[in-house]
Amino acid sequence: SQQGEEDPQALSIQEGENATMNCSYKTSINNLQWYRQNSGRGLVHLILIRSNEREKHSGRLRVTLDTSKKSSSLLITASRAADTASYFCATDSGTYKYIFGTGTRLKVLA
Amino acid sequence: DGGITQSPKYLFRKEGQNVTLSCEQNLNHDAMYWYRQDPGQGLRLIYYSQIVNDFQKGDIAEGYSVSREKKESFPLTVTSAQKNPTAFYLCASRRTAPYGYTFGSGTRLTVV
Repeated sequence: SQQGEEDPQALSIQEGENATMNCSYKTSINNLQWYRQNSGRGLVHLILIRSNEREKHSGRLRVTLDTSKKSSSLLITASRAADTASYFCATDSGTYKYIFGTGTRLKVLA
Repeated sequence: DGGITQSPKYLFRKEGQNVTLSCEQNLNHDAMYWYRQDPGQGLRLIYYSQIVNDFQKGDIAEGYSVSREKKESFPLTVTSAQKNPTAFYLCASRRTAPYGYTFGSGTRLTVV
């Protein structure tokens, strides 16, 4: 079952612009995570935000969480060509398994 | 360096054959997971294991089997009962929550 739904499905921006992608989920969560996947590779964990947190930063990444709306957003500032990848959100509802969304494909044009 | 190793990277299988995908980790993580990813789609959970000698079915376990005899190893067998096995298979591990997964680099299985 898919818990998270990312929006948009695909995003194309110019290098240096900011990229924002959103994730909506259905049930209550303990935490939400964002991952990056380069084509044909495994996923890389980017950031985890707990249910009692509203915002978290890591380098050029900013994640927000609104538990009342069951949604999260990932902002990548000053994007680079190397940021081209698919981005997935994953939710932890305390069941020992994370449930992944369908992903946003980001393309950063040089 | 610690990490997860999946092998082989590419695997071809004839219809009716069973194949086993390897997943080994040296991170000392208790929990391990197998996900399947189809083109342009998200990840679907096949099986997971929280401790040695114990594992649970995920959302799409039919046609698959696993074992967890050692903490470091969580092999996945794709049986002939899996009708559409062509996919990208990802293994992951995690230490006690709330931490993110560490993923392997994946095995691409193709039925020929």
